[in-house]
Amino acid sequence: QQPVQSPQAVILREGEDAVINCSSSKALYSVHWYRQKHGEAPIFLMILLKGGEQKGHDKISASFNEKKQQSSLYLTASQLSYSGTYFCGTEKGSGAGSYQLTFGKGTKLSVIP
Amino acid sequence: DSGVTQTPKHLITATGQRVTLRCSPRSGDLSVYWYQQSLDQGLQFLIQYYNGEERAKGNILERFSAQQFPDLHSELNLSSLELGDSALYFCASSVAGQGFSEQYFGPGTRLTVT
Repeated sequence: QQPVQSPQAVILREGEDAVINCSSSKALYSVHWYRQKHGEAPIFLMILLKGGEQKGHDKISASFNEKKQQSSLYLTASQLSYSGTYFCGTEKGSGAGSYQLTFGKGTKLSVIP
Repeated sequence: DSGVTQTPKHLITATGQRVTLRCSPRSGDLSVYWYQQSLDQGLQFLIQYYNGEERAKGNILERFSAQQFPDLHSELNLSSLELGDSALYFCASSVAGQGFSEQYFGPGTRLTVT
């Protein structure tokens, strides 16, 4: 089952904050976040493992609520370089070889001056 | 530059044909993953290989197959091509074998089936 991302698109002015949500109907092992700029390959942002951890680097952080099967990506003080489509990928697995990584449809983020 | 290379960059072929996409992982990475990205389906995981062995399978059609060679490069074979197979195909690599870790994506191969 494909995770649901919201919002589908958001426009920010430089310096504003944004939150992108990713929800699943299934129990999750991990959540992965990637950013993809138009015409380019996805770039890894972070992985969150079950356990409710929170991660971040620079001004981009994320949380993973295992009980709600939900993850949120937080972008603070947005920069023009943050523009792109953000994908969450959810992984559910048990045992070797049974892993599945399913991506949401993406959230298009546009940062304008 | 992620260090992952994919060839060819573009491929145009007719329905019913067979094509092979090639991927070389980053130096030191043992896992290779294949993804299909289309406008309507988004980014879909197809298959993972680790050190020559299949490790995980996603939504890969029976017409598609992959393998990883001893030098760790991988090939994705697509046969009996249909119009709906037109998409961007990405290869990614990582050091990990079990599950999914930080992946480095190649530039992709754009396949157009006419």
